[in-house]
Amino acid sequence: DAGITQSPRHKVTETGTPVTLRCHQTENHRYMYWYRQDPGHGLRLIHYSYGVKDTDKGEVSDGYSVSRSKTEDFLLTLESATSSQTSVYFCAISESWRERNQPQHFGDGTRLSIL
Amino acid sequence: ELKVEQNPLFLSMQEGKNYTIYCNYSTTSDRLYWYRQDPGKSLESLFVLLSNGAVKQEGRLMASLDTKARLSTLHITAAVHDLSATYFCAVDMSYGGATNKLIFGTGTLLAVQP
Repeated sequence: DAGITQSPRHKVTETGTPVTLRCHQTENHRYMYWYRQDPGHGLRLIHYSYGVKDTDKGEVSDGYSVSRSKTEDFLLTLESATSSQTSVYFCAISESWRERNQPQHFGDGTRLSIL
Repeated sequence: ELKVEQNPLFLSMQEGKNYTIYCNYSTTSDRLYWYRQDPGKSLESLFVLLSNGAVKQEGRLMASLDTKARLSTLHITAAVHDLSATYFCAVDMSYGGATNKLIFGTGTLLAVQP
């Protein structure tokens, strides 16, 4: 299994509070991704990173920010959580451009509930 | 805008039967992936399809890609209960690029009944 650790695994919080989810990898992969999974939508890309301090938006980036200060860590922040952000969040990693034909590998997910 | 449609969304089948899941996508892409997800679990990579006419097989599952028709299929042969899961196709929206940004289908929930 790819060395990906997401924390926390479960979190319940209140509307309006800030929330940070962490993804940590031990594979030294260049690319990291944050997705959210909701019934009827499959997985949707929130943000991704193609290197330290290099990030870009995905399909559903509004209300989310990310940071990557080290190769191994990719943080997802909800500045002011809303109930619509209740979801399961997955982190994924993939290798360099030369290995771009390999699949993304996913973490175990974080179940976030915003009341 | 790239859209990915899977059908059926739900499939109940008997053990020993064959069936096919379809994945249609709306714009040109050169990479398509199939994943499996068990309830409450992560996604597991099944197949990577990189070119027109590509066919990959693993056990009772076979995936194919027709880039001209923008269609991929996941064929299940002689289904067994252990294949019960949700199956996702995902299409790389960065055609010719390096970032591997994926658009996922909504998934097909497969339930294999004894």
